[in-house]
Amino acid sequence: GAGVSQSPSNKVTEKGKDVELRCDPISGHTALYWYRQSLGQGLEFLIYFQGNSAPDKSGLPSDRFSAERTGGSVSTLTIQRTQQEDSAVYLCASSFGTSGGQETQYFGPGTRLLVL
Amino acid sequence: GENVEQHPSTLSVQEGDSAVIKCTYSDSASNYFPWYKQELGKGPQLIIDIRSNVGEKKDQRIAVTLNKTAKHFSLHITETQPEDSAVYFCAASIWDSGYSTLTFGKGTMLLVSP
Repeated sequence: GAGVSQSPSNKVTEKGKDVELRCDPISGHTALYWYRQSLGQGLEFLIYFQGNSAPDKSGLPSDRFSAERTGGSVSTLTIQRTQQEDSAVYLCASSFGTSGGQETQYFGPGTRLLVL
Repeated sequence: GENVEQHPSTLSVQEGDSAVIKCTYSDSASNYFPWYKQELGKGPQLIIDIRSNVGEKKDQRIAVTLNKTAKHFSLHITETQPEDSAVYFCAASIWDSGYSTLTFGKGTMLLVSP
C-alpha cells in the first residue's frame, strides 16, 4: 500500500518568506509526528498529533513554527519568516497510534528546505 | 528531558565482519528503544526494537541488547553486506501521560566495503 508522502520534496525560499510543508500519512494511522534533521544531526522531535489534537508541541523551536492536522489525516507544518538556520530536512512519520508512540513509526522521504 | 548519546559516528567494516553500535540514555524511566536505518535520500525505517522488560532480541543478522542498570543498549549486525551501508539511529522513549515521543541519537554512518 501507499506509504507516507510529503510535499514538496525540495523547497528553496528566501529569508523572511513563509513556507508550508505537507504530510499525507498512511491511511488509518491516527498518530502523526514531525521531525527536523539537520546535516550530521539526529532527528529532532517537533510535534506529535493524535487524531487532530497535538498533545505534545514541546519540540517546536519557536513561535514561527506551527502545525495543524485536519480530518485526522493530512498535516501541514508552517514556518513563518524563515531564517537560514531553518534549513534542514523535515520528516513526517505516522503510526497506528494504539501504543502511545511506542510502536513502529513509518517515515516519509522528507522535504529538503533551503533558506537563502 | 531524555538525552541519547550514540557511538561511533562512523564505522567502516569489511563485508562479512560484524558491526556494533552503542547508545546510552539518561532517563532511567525510558522503556522503549527502537533502531532505525536511513538510506540515502530516504526516510528512516525501523529495523528492530526492544522494550525494557527484555534484555536481548534477535532478528536474523541483527540483534539488540539492553542493559538497564548501565542505561545503554547496542545494535549488533553480523555477516555485514554492502547493502547494510546506511545511517543507523538509536532512540529512547518514556511513557508519560498516555503517550511517548522518541529521542534520537545523532546517528552512525556504517560503510561496508566489498
